Amino acid sequence: DAKTTQPPSMDCAEGRAANLPCNHSTISGNEYVYWYRQIHSQGPQYIIHGLKNNETNEMASLIITEDRKSSTLILPHATLRDTAVYYCIVRVGESLLTGGGNKLTFGTGTQLKVEL
Amino acid sequence: DSGVTQTPKHLITATGQRVTLRCSPRSGDLSVYWYQQSLDQGLQFLIQYYNGEERAKGNILERFSAQQFPDLHSELNLSSLELGDSALYFCASSVGVRSSGNTIYFGEGSWLTVV
Repeated sequence: DAKTTQPPSMDCAEGRAANLPCNHSTISGNEYVYWYRQIHSQGPQYIIHGLKNNETNEMASLIITEDRKSSTLILPHATLRDTAVYYCIVRVGESLLTGGGNKLTFGTGTQLKVEL
Repeated sequence: DSGVTQTPKHLITATGQRVTLRCSPRSGDLSVYWYQQSLDQGLQFLIQYYNGEERAKGNILERFSAQQFPDLHSELNLSSLELGDSALYFCASSVGVRSSGNTIYFGEGSWLTVV
């Protein structure tokens, strides 16, 4: 799986958008970009994932550059409860032929602190 | 609630002992993953099972073993425990037979303290 680079920490004011960048310049064509977050000592929580197109769900938006070498996770209106470590991970998708899928390899992530 | 259930939530045991951590994956999920998170190591992949068979192995010690049963639940066995084995142990699951982009969901973890 390709390596990712994230800033170690970021701050955001409550109610503002939090934009978390991730570089994955060696990503392969069959690798997806996943975002997870971990609130202190809880299980990692899935946020969103994408392959080429931008994605949006109830939690966040994922913007992937056209060359797929970087992406940005956007939390549109950050709250104090969004304070967590955010992990950007690239992973080969599972297929009907192989089954089982590939593990997630976690880096050190970005510690996002949302403040009043 | 991710749907992945882990027991026990907390466990304190002495060095040299053996413990078993249990994981029930989300309904219908065939793949189970185990991760270890200690204070100074981050989230480390240990092992993966798919439909009862070992699929991938990470940095799992020889003192540790795992299995996935026919009902798809999994157990992680930790033996000859050392102080350094104190950590959070996470189980995760995914379906494994869907098309690409499958998502992995994590349980809330089992806190193991070795004293």
